[in-house]
Amino acid sequence: DAGVIQSPRHEVTEMGQEVTLRCKPISGHNSLFWYRQTMMRGLELLIYFNNNVPIDDSGMPEDRFSAKMPNASFSTLKIQPSEPRDSAVYFCASSLGDIGREAFFGQGTRLTVV
Amino acid sequence: QKEVEQNSGPLSVPEGAIASLNCTYSDRGSQSFFWYRQYSGKSPELIMFIYSNGDKEDGRFTAQLNKASQYVSLLIRDSQPSDSATYLCAVRGNNNDMRFGAGTRLTVKP
Repeated sequence: DAGVIQSPRHEVTEMGQEVTLRCKPISGHNSLFWYRQTMMRGLELLIYFNNNVPIDDSGMPEDRFSAKMPNASFSTLKIQPSEPRDSAVYFCASSLGDIGREAFFGQGTRLTVV
Repeated sequence: QKEVEQNSGPLSVPEGAIASLNCTYSDRGSQSFFWYRQYSGKSPELIMFIYSNGDKEDGRFTAQLNKASQYVSLLIRDSQPSDSATYLCAVRGNNNDMRFGAGTRLTVKP
């Protein structure tokens, strides 16, 4: 298996633009997590899905952030409009749904908003 | 708010020494506990997981869990320069979320 695949790897955009980050989880995994990592705040859980259903989005910082999982093999995280403080590395991770299972991470998307 | 706290570090140890990393968590319903390692510019990768109270050993790594104290630790024996990285504690709750501490940066000096 190719692992969790994220795209793009790097994104530079201007303030106010819409940004869409993409994630393909490992086949057969039914839990998917979106995280944001910064030096100041570490690795923050933004939202997670079980069986394509959003379970907890309390970590989404503002209404400018939204996430979807239309099917078991694809998820998006959208920021509209983007702001410089959104600059961070965004990770997608997937796991089997059992409580004890570890999460496997994608390579991350480094977002820079100028 | 569910919290996962780690000793902030940075932690520096000489090669061959034991490195001790600590983590506490707030959610008593947490079911499983993980240690990840993250090299600079890379994504986190799993080192160990532990579910039951006590110790679990895997090579040079030992994870310790005390659910009554809501405490998890990782010991790295015979530390090597290649162990230099940020170590992340992760906790999986009973509603299937997975939350991370801020990480402890470890440097092993030759």
